[in-house]
Amino acid sequence: KNEVEQSPQNLTAQEGEFITINCSYSVGISALHWLQQHPGGGIVSLFMLSSGKKKHGRLIATINIQEKHSSLHITASHPRDSAVYICAVPGGGADGLTFGKGTHLIIQP
Amino acid sequence: DVKVTQSSRYLVKRTGEKVFLECVQDMDHENMFWYRQDPGLGLRLIYFSYDVKMKEKGDIPEGYSVSREKKERFSLILESASTNQTSMYLCASTLGRITGELFFGEGSRLTVL
Repeated sequence: KNEVEQSPQNLTAQEGEFITINCSYSVGISALHWLQQHPGGGIVSLFMLSSGKKKHGRLIATINIQEKHSSLHITASHPRDSAVYICAVPGGGADGLTFGKGTHLIIQP
Repeated sequence: DVKVTQSSRYLVKRTGEKVFLECVQDMDHENMFWYRQDPGLGLRLIYFSYDVKMKEKGDIPEGYSVSREKKERFSLILESASTNQTSMYLCASTLGRITGELFFGEGSRLTVL
């Protein structure tokens, strides 16, 4: 089973700061998902990536397959970015996906 | 706009009641999933389905059953609700089995008294 570790668990930052959330996994994968969940809300898929880097607006996701590590970056952070960010990888569980416990991000104005 | 719709956002039920949670997707996805989400435990898979009338147990199927009579609809059933089933329930669908983009519903927060 793929083990997934996310760090940090909790992060509080000021508006405008550059944010980095990390995800490490134990078994090689074909693709990694980054998900976002706002308080009281459903989960939205941000990225699915298998190599290199993807960018969407102020969000950037990178993955290093050799090091089994992915990062999610937020540039010019804003209070509306406050959410739980979850990474998920194949290689565990009955449906083949293992989810990290999530990073709880709060951006203060 | 693609969508996964869950029938109820909030439910309050009593111990022993039968509970139906419905999920409908409009993307013609073969794969549908039911998860529960609890603080400190993350997302855990209850049941999934890769085709109509097909169902497979996930990691925590005890106390639950599912029904998939039509491709777009996947229902989660709690035959006799118990207090330890108080949780947030999330439905998801995807085109590819583990490499397709995941689409989630808004979630159904169930409280069992």
